[in-house]
Amino acid sequence: GAGVSQSPSNKVTEKGKDVELRCDPISGHTALYWYRQSLGQGLEFLIYFQGNSAPDKSGLPSDRFSAERTGGSVSTLTIQRTQQEDSAVYLCASSLIAGKYNEQFFGPGTRLTVL
Amino acid sequence: DQQVKQNSPSLSVQEGRISILNCDYTNSMFDYFLWYKKYPAEGPTFLISISSIKDKNEDGRFTVFLNKSAKHLSLHIVPSQPGDSAVYFCAASAKTSYDKVIFGPGTSLSVIP
Repeated sequence: GAGVSQSPSNKVTEKGKDVELRCDPISGHTALYWYRQSLGQGLEFLIYFQGNSAPDKSGLPSDRFSAERTGGSVSTLTIQRTQQEDSAVYLCASSLIAGKYNEQFFGPGTRLTVL
Repeated sequence: DQQVKQNSPSLSVQEGRISILNCDYTNSMFDYFLWYKKYPAEGPTFLISISSIKDKNEDGRFTVFLNKSAKHLSLHIVPSQPGDSAVYFCAASAKTSYDKVIFGPGTSLSVIP
């Protein structure tokens, strides 16, 4: 497909389990971003990648959250020992390169529900 | 501490009229501002942006105004159409890290036919 894709679209898990969310950016886009949107809140920046490296991890809420990107393409966001407050929509975006004027294209998101 | 604020969670406007969505920010380092539009079950899509060297940017029916002294920006949609009904996010970034885009909580716009 031509756009950013994310999988799964919905994930229901039990508290304490680990989850892995996947993002496929637009082909050729070197920058990739993860955000989350909790109910009634705006988008919260989590992390971004330029290529395979993550210059800014400051938005990750705790050490239970980690992300990696391999081959400059697919990225996975892993949440270990999930808590109920992790329930949110996790959005991924990509842009041609990082920087000021580069429009970010968003995927449809993964809705995570932690019971 | 919310650096980008959208104090109106929702707004209803009659079709054909002007929609004005407001946004305030607190971080004086922000110098690039964006508006995104989001339909249900879809990711946000970029709408329009403005750099702090300008006070107005126009693209078709959409105009963004920036008042740096007041740390305020607004998005004007005229004329409003039913297809404009969506959640609108104001966002900002600073030259120290343009990739760390800070989003507001969004305003849900309903355009009534």
